Amino acid sequence: KAGVTQTPRYLIKTRGQQVTLSCSPISGHRSVSWYQQTPGQGLQFLFEYFSETQRNKGNFPGRFSGRQFSNSRSEMNVSTLELGDSALYLCASTSGQSSYEQYFGPGTRLTVT
Amino acid sequence: DAKTTQPPSMDCAEGRAANLPCNHSTISGNEYVYWYRQIHSQGPQYIIHGLKNNETNEMASLIITEDRKSNTLILPHATLRDTAVYYCIVRVAPLGFGNEKLTFGTGTRLTIIP
Repeated sequence: KAGVTQTPRYLIKTRGQQVTLSCSPISGHRSVSWYQQTPGQGLQFLFEYFSETQRNKGNFPGRFSGRQFSNSRSEMNVSTLELGDSALYLCASTSGQSSYEQYFGPGTRLTVT
Repeated sequence: DAKTTQPPSMDCAEGRAANLPCNHSTISGNEYVYWYRQIHSQGPQYIIHGLKNNETNEMASLIITEDRKSNTLILPHATLRDTAVYYCIVRVAPLGFGNEKLTFGTGTRLTIIP
């Protein structure tokens, strides 16, 4: 079956702008988690959605938000972009109930100039 | 989740077994060991997990010490495609029910030498 897909793969934005990233989980998976990866901080958990509800949230400012649709697709939004938001944004999916493996997408590389 | 310690980098000759160590001296009885790897500019990929018994799958073997304070991931016949950053994660399993968060450390950068 198809893996986790993320769009776009690459994005360049200017400071102060906002951006929306999209993630489609593996078919049948209802949980989507988002992570930020930077050279300085490594991989950090942003938040997790299940059945259109945020169940868990990492330690990021309110400029980072997300949502999930009824088909389990998820979007994350970053408002008022800062240079430090330049990162690889990864999403991952699981069934959301009981599993051992989290499936990651290829990521979206965001560059803020 | 228990803290893990891994060497920052390792080299291994192609075709040889790659043995990646991970220490987790504060692991609790109900915490599992997970291994993920991340090939350059891709998303992390699950490799294997275990609680206290040794585990093997098509990708690797996991050897956990009897006191559970350390483990070794073994890639039996390393290829150039195994060059990646390998992350050892200790957490309560399974994932699910709002507990999907994985806490990644800095990992071990494994380079397979031709």
